[in-house]
Amino acid sequence: AQRVTQPEKLLSVFKGAPVELKCNYSYSGSPELFWYVQYSRQRLQLLLRHISRESIKGFTADLNKGETSFHLKKPFAQEEDSAMYYCALSGGGNTPLVFGKGTRLSVIA
Amino acid sequence: GAVVSQHPSWVICKSGTSVKIECRSLDFQATTMFWYRQFPKQSLMLMATSNEGSKATYEQGVEKDKFLINHASLTLSTLTVTSAHPEDSSFYICSARDSGALNTEAFFGQGTRLTVV
Repeated sequence: AQRVTQPEKLLSVFKGAPVELKCNYSYSGSPELFWYVQYSRQRLQLLLRHISRESIKGFTADLNKGETSFHLKKPFAQEEDSAMYYCALSGGGNTPLVFGKGTRLSVIA
Repeated sequence: GAVVSQHPSWVICKSGTSVKIECRSLDFQATTMFWYRQFPKQSLMLMATSNEGSKATYEQGVEKDKFLINHASLTLSTLTVTSAHPEDSSFYICSARDSGALNTEAFFGQGTRLTVV
């Protein structure tokens, strides 16, 4: 069964502190992993995808197949990073995304 | 980037009436669109996959007669909540990918908040 687990509902950090939002997944095959972000009163938007292996807004995420994890990291949190973050997976192609429950990141000045 | 537009953004209706929600891809074509439902402080739950020119594929537990999906063109999918009840009140979100591109991201509509009174 496909499943995405984000163990933290809420994560509060101080500005400038490192951030790690955890994501574990369960999938029989080779999934595509994504991080989506939803800022206040805005729609969901793509932040990262594992196949791109890029850094967006200072965030990175590495797919660890052994641990079935795709944790999102940023070395120095900024206030504007405060948002809802969703980890998601798909089976590739035009298959739907399966979402985790989301983690609300709050960056405190 | 590509834009997916939903209409209306919010709607209030009486119990027993039907409500139609539109999802449009504004600058790309989408043979497949996805409909999600989001309860307060919860994640997005996939309801169905909308396929252009054919029947939608519903997830387990989603009543196909209750949530009618029509995908009549490559840029429009509609979700009709029939005989709405208060428990149907929720946030409905659609998503689409550009059918003409490889490995593209999924774009999301702004969502429709449905309140059934």
